[in-house]
Amino acid sequence: KQEVTQIPAALSVPEGENLVLNCSFTDSAIYNLQWFRQDPGKGLTSLLLIQSSQREQTSGRLNASLDKSSGRSTLYIAASQPGDSATYLCAVPQGGSEKLVFGKGTKLTVNP
Amino acid sequence: DAGVIQSPRHEVTEMGQEVTLRCKPISGHDYLFWYRQTMMRGLELLIYFNNNVPIDDSGMPEDRFSAKMPNASFSTLKIQPSEPRDSAVYFCASSLGSGTQYFGPGTRLLVL
Repeated sequence: KQEVTQIPAALSVPEGENLVLNCSFTDSAIYNLQWFRQDPGKGLTSLLLIQSSQREQTSGRLNASLDKSSGRSTLYIAASQPGDSATYLCAVPQGGSEKLVFGKGTKLTVNP
Repeated sequence: DAGVIQSPRHEVTEMGQEVTLRCKPISGHDYLFWYRQTMMRGLELLIYFNNNVPIDDSGMPEDRFSAKMPNASFSTLKIQPSEPRDSAVYFCASSLGSGTQYFGPGTRLLVL
């Protein structure tokens, strides 16, 4: 059974700092990994999807990496801004299915 | 496209009452997912459909929960009878398969 862990559970940084969020998963037989953002009281917004054949994916100030063999992914946020404050979740498929297993998320606060 | 649409956005009901949550997926998407999010358990998949057919309902907590997808543009999640422990945020998501899942804004359910 796939299990996803995100560390740290919460992170507070000053504006402008670069930061890394971590995600680990127990079953490395995945075909992709997704990072989502959730604002308080809102739904999830997809940030990045990395296919298993890729090692990283970039969108603006965000860069996600994937190391299947070690069961790890990182989300790098450059030059953080207060608007980046949210909970970030990673998710991987269970087995070869469409069923996503989510981590509990990292709650990020960027202080002005 | 308007994105995934869910209704109602908020629902307050009394224990024992029937609750029906509704979802309209993004047009053209062939996968539809129902999730439940709580502080204790995080985000969990309840059931998902492919081309209107239920594929995996292993996350449905018990017989009080049922889900249907009568056509490609509509799905319901029903709880009968509702219990206080069903209080959570219920999300619907849709995708084209093996790709990004797009989430609706969620329905906040409170069972008194």
